[in-house]
Amino acid sequence: DTGVSQDPRHKITKRGQNVTFRCDPISEHNRLYWYRQTLGQGPEFLTYFQNEAQLEKSRLLSNRFSAERPKGSFSTLEIQRTEQGDSAMYLCASSPRGGGSNEQFFGPGTRLTVL
Amino acid sequence: QQQVKQSPQSLIVQKGGISIINCAYENTAFDYFPWYQQFPGKGPALLIAIRPDVSEKKEGRFTISFNKSAKQFSLHIMDSQPGDSATYFCAARNSGGSNYKLTFGKGTLLTVNP
Repeated sequence: DTGVSQDPRHKITKRGQNVTFRCDPISEHNRLYWYRQTLGQGPEFLTYFQNEAQLEKSRLLSNRFSAERPKGSFSTLEIQRTEQGDSAMYLCASSPRGGGSNEQFFGPGTRLTVL
Repeated sequence: QQQVKQSPQSLIVQKGGISIINCAYENTAFDYFPWYQQFPGKGPALLIAIRPDVSEKKEGRFTISFNKSAKQFSLHIMDSQPGDSATYFCAARNSGGSNYKLTFGKGTLLTVNP
């Protein structure tokens, strides 16, 4: 399968612990996005990478959150000192370079539960 | 500030009926309007998309109607099937921006009864 993959699919952690999620975009997609989706809501933009450069971060991304995309391939999203309010589905999407529709292809998400 | 407002929150339709979901936006810089379909436990998948230079786009049983002056667009699902039962999200994007991020509505849970 050459779609966007995310790991893990589910993560349960205790408040105060650190967690890290991984996203593998579709091969040769240079744009990568992270979104957060809470129950009953649409996805909300968190951050965007073009190749290895992080070009924008939402104000939703507190200083406990950090994202990286070394070498412009896979990306990681780390949450430090997790809080119960961090419980959500974390979605990764990628899109190819160039103009046009630039469809964003979403992965299956990582569901985080903070106890 | 909710830039894309979606209604209804939930919708129940009989098999063979027409499902209609509406969205309204505020930012006139938006120039790309996709609809995503999401099944439980899955990520959103692009269903159909439109740009504001056309008023309607049809792909199979799915049609987007777009009203630029009213800043509204809607999704019509003809001959709705139980397999269409999912959550639908409208979204919008400013292609002139620096990052192509999508702004989503809150979603509509569609149930198609057999």
